[in-house]
Amino acid sequence: EVQLVDSGGGLVKPGGSLRLSCAASGFTFNDYSMSWVRQAPGRGLEWVSLVTTGSNYIYYADSVKGRFTISRDPAKKSVYLQMNSLRAEDTAVYYCARTGRVAEYFQHWGQGTLVTVSS
Amino acid sequence: DIQMTQSPSTLSASVGDGVTITCRASQRISTWLAWYQQRPGKAPKLLISQAGSLESGVPARFSGSGSGTEFTLTISSLQSDDFATYYCQQYKTYPWTFGQGTKVEIK
Repeated sequence: EVQLVDSGGGLVKPGGSLRLSCAASGFTFNDYSMSWVRQAPGRGLEWVSLVTTGSNYIYYADSVKGRFTISRDPAKKSVYLQMNSLRAEDTAVYYCARTGRVAEYFQHWGQGTLVTVSS
Repeated sequence: DIQMTQSPSTLSASVGDGVTITCRASQRISTWLAWYQQRPGKAPKLLISQAGSLESGVPARFSGSGSGTEFTLTISSLQSDDFATYYCQQYKTYPWTFGQGTKVEIK
């Protein structure tokens, strides 16, 4: 069974940093791209970042480019999102998601971790 | 960026009703479209990929169709579990974008 467990969320002040983690199990981690998708309170889904297999390609939404860094560790079967220079508008539930085998739809999702940026 | 627009934003229906949600893309995306269901407080769940391919375990009352710029998600006979918010997503090209969501609520 595919499982994605998100962690690392919390309350942080504007301008602060946070690192999210996603632990994966139940599938061959190296065969799939991994992504982060967020959802601000009461709002819709927003794709944030994606890392392909082998970390060969990395993509970011314009709203986080230059502030967030995605990475993956095959040995730990984990993906991370380093978030710097956080803003109030980054407040959201952040979901880790695994893509399909050869296409970037989001086939499996973590439970989400809440990031609150507030002074 | 490709903009995805869903209609309606909210839909009121009763158990047993058939409902259809529409998703329009701002440019042609062939059939590179997915549909998700999200219940309150829960993570989204993939229902359909490639515009019409039902994910394993998803009930057959869900179906998707369309290509190019116009797509539909149909629920043939609403069950109580189906009252949720539904999102479309294009995956033809980066950045991957979602529709704003359609909330299906109980009439």
